[in-house]
Amino acid sequence: GAGVSQSPRYKVAKRGQDVALRCDPISGHVSLFWYQQALGQGPEFLTYFQNEAQLDKSGLPSDRFFAERPEGSVSTLKIQRTQQEDSAVYLCASSLGWREQYFGPGTRLTVT
Amino acid sequence: TQLLEQSPQFLSIQEGENLTVYCNSSSVFSSLQWYRQEPGEGPVLLVTVVTGGEVKKLKRLTFQFGDARKDSSLHITAAQPGDTGLYLCAGAVGAQKLVFGQGTRLTINP
Repeated sequence: GAGVSQSPRYKVAKRGQDVALRCDPISGHVSLFWYQQALGQGPEFLTYFQNEAQLDKSGLPSDRFFAERPEGSVSTLKIQRTQQEDSAVYLCASSLGWREQYFGPGTRLTVT
Repeated sequence: TQLLEQSPQFLSIQEGENLTVYCNSSSVFSSLQWYRQEPGEGPVLLVTVVTGGEVKKLKRLTFQFGDARKDSSLHITAAQPGDTGLYLCAGAVGAQKLVFGQGTRLTINP
C-alpha cells in the first residue's frame, strides 16, 4: 500500500503483559514518529527516528516504553509490564523531512 | 513546555452556518499545521502555515497564522455534514517535534 500501516489495529492486554506494536512507514520516508493519543485528546509525541537513529525519545513516559527501527524502515514500539494508564491509541507517522507527517490508522491498546 | 489550547472543544451547528476554531499558545512556533481526524483513523494534514500573518484557503476552509506565530484560526464557510470530524492544530517545535492541541470535535447537522 501507499500509506503508513500499523498492526495490530486493536490489542487487548492484561495488566503486566508485554506488547509490541508495529509500524510500516511509507517507502523512502527517512523520518518516523510515534505518538500516543488518549481518548478525547490530541496526540502526544513519544519518539522520533531518522533512518535507524533514535534522535529524540523525550516523550516516552517511562522506561517500560521502548522503540526501535533497526534497518531504518519498519519500527516497533514495545511496552513492557503494561498498566491501565497505557490504554490509548498509538499512532505512527512518517515523513521525508519532518514538517508534513503522514499518519497511520493507529493501534488501539486496551489494558484490562 | 509548549502548550496549544484549542477552542471550542466541542461545536455542533447546522448545515450552512459559518464557524471559527481557535488555536492559541504563549509559545512561538516555527510553523503550525491543521489536521482532520476521522474515528478509527489517523490525522490527515489539511494545511501548513509558516509565515506570521499568513492566510491559506482550501475551498471553504480558511486558515490564518497569527502575526506573532503564537496562534491560528480555522474558519469554515457554509459548513456541510461532510465537514464533521475532529480538527487538530499542531505546532512545530524545533526540527522534529509536533505539539498538538486537544482538538475540536465538530458536528454539522443536516
